[in-house]
Amino acid sequence: AQKITQTQPGMFVQEKEAVTLDCTYDTSDQSYGLFWYKQPSSGEMIFLIYQGSYDEQNATEGRYSLNFQKARKSANLVISASQLGDSAMYFCAMREGTGRRALTFGSGTRLQVQP
Amino acid sequence: DAGVTQSPTHLIKTRGQHVTLRCSPISGHKSVSWYQQVLGQGPQFIFQYYEKEERGRGNFPDRFSARQFPNYSSELNVNALLLGDSALYLCASSAGGFSNYGYTFGSGTRLTVV
Repeated sequence: AQKITQTQPGMFVQEKEAVTLDCTYDTSDQSYGLFWYKQPSSGEMIFLIYQGSYDEQNATEGRYSLNFQKARKSANLVISASQLGDSAMYFCAMREGTGRRALTFGSGTRLQVQP
Repeated sequence: DAGVTQSPTHLIKTRGQHVTLRCSPISGHKSVSWYQQVLGQGPQFIFQYYEKEERGRGNFPDRFSARQFPNYSSELNVNALLLGDSALYLCASSAGGFSNYGYTFGSGTRLTVV
């Protein structure tokens, strides 16, 4: 079974509008962390936002927020007021447990912001 | 402060050859992880090193090996290259321990095997 599922291969959004990128995850661990990364065409993975499994509040970082629904095992990324520079690949990733440090990534969503 | 530095940025090798990729972590970071990203897919975990010891290994063949040096820089070695090894190889550094943040990635090395 896929541990991280991103069901939207590509998304379009108009500049200045909000967009939600979906991510569902699968783990039996009680302690885990969820990450979102942005990957522009240059290849570098840019950290956007983190949500811990025990965090009671949804994480926010500037224009990025994470809609964390633990019972549904979803961790959707919301980008508000989209900008042209937001066009990139977006990856959801999970780190399971407290001892294992590897990240498991989803297949990504390509976001294109249109003027 | 310099970010995670990877070299070379691009590389073309022939099947059967050997390749060494290098990574310098952020100053003060003691953990380095390697990921392989095949075109159109998400990155896949290869290795993690912390304080010069291997702390994790992904599902990759023994042709892949790595090490971490006393200055916390790292090398990823791949022997007997196959066409399927063509990918972007990403290095990530972190402070280690149980930090919830701090996986900082480099820009990667694009390896093409012909």
